[in-house]
Amino acid sequence: KAGVTQTPRYLIKTRGQQVTLSCSPISGHRSVSWYQQTPGQGLQFLFEYFSETQRNKGNFPGRFSGRQFSNSRSEMNVSTLELGDSALYLCASAGLAGGQPAPDTQYFGPGTRLTVL
Amino acid sequence: SQQGEEDPQALSIQEGENATMNCSYKTSINNLQWYRQNSGRGLVHLILIRSNEREKHSGRLRVTLDTSKKSSSLLITASRAADTASYFCATALSGGYQKVTFGTGTKLQVIP
Repeated sequence: KAGVTQTPRYLIKTRGQQVTLSCSPISGHRSVSWYQQTPGQGLQFLFEYFSETQRNKGNFPGRFSGRQFSNSRSEMNVSTLELGDSALYLCASAGLAGGQPAPDTQYFGPGTRLTVL
Repeated sequence: SQQGEEDPQALSIQEGENATMNCSYKTSINNLQWYRQNSGRGLVHLILIRSNEREKHSGRLRVTLDTSKKSSSLLITASRAADTASYFCATALSGGYQKVTFGTGTKLQVIP
């Protein structure tokens, strides 16, 4: 089956602008998580959505927001961009496994590389 | 803050040798996963080990988990140049909905 897709793959913005990134999960997966990866901070968890509800949230300012649609596709938005927001943004989807109420294995998309000038 | 810390941060070996990476974490977990990332791309899931398991194998990969020491190790046997990548451990916390937290990563270079 098709993997996780993210659009766009590359993005250049200037400080103060806002940006919306999109993620389409693997068909049938209802959980979508977002991560920010930078050389200095590594992989940081942003938030996770399941069936259109945000279930978990990392320690990021309110400028970072997301949503999930009924078809499980997800978007994340960053408003008032700062230079430090330059990063690789990764989306991961997961499905139910082993009858557990929460997904296990996450499957990652290729990421969106955001550069803020 | 990172839940997991990988050790070493960087590792360089010759093709054919074994590579061992370690991961330590801080809190009780539901499961621990290892991922590989090639040069700024997405992560590829390698293996998942649950908190009630001690060892797991997948092809040339062997993962161990010691919950008493809050540590895990990933062994790649008979390494290949294509194994050159960064390797991350990720932990899913116990209880309720899972929030996966990644470690700092080990950069592995396999020299042909």
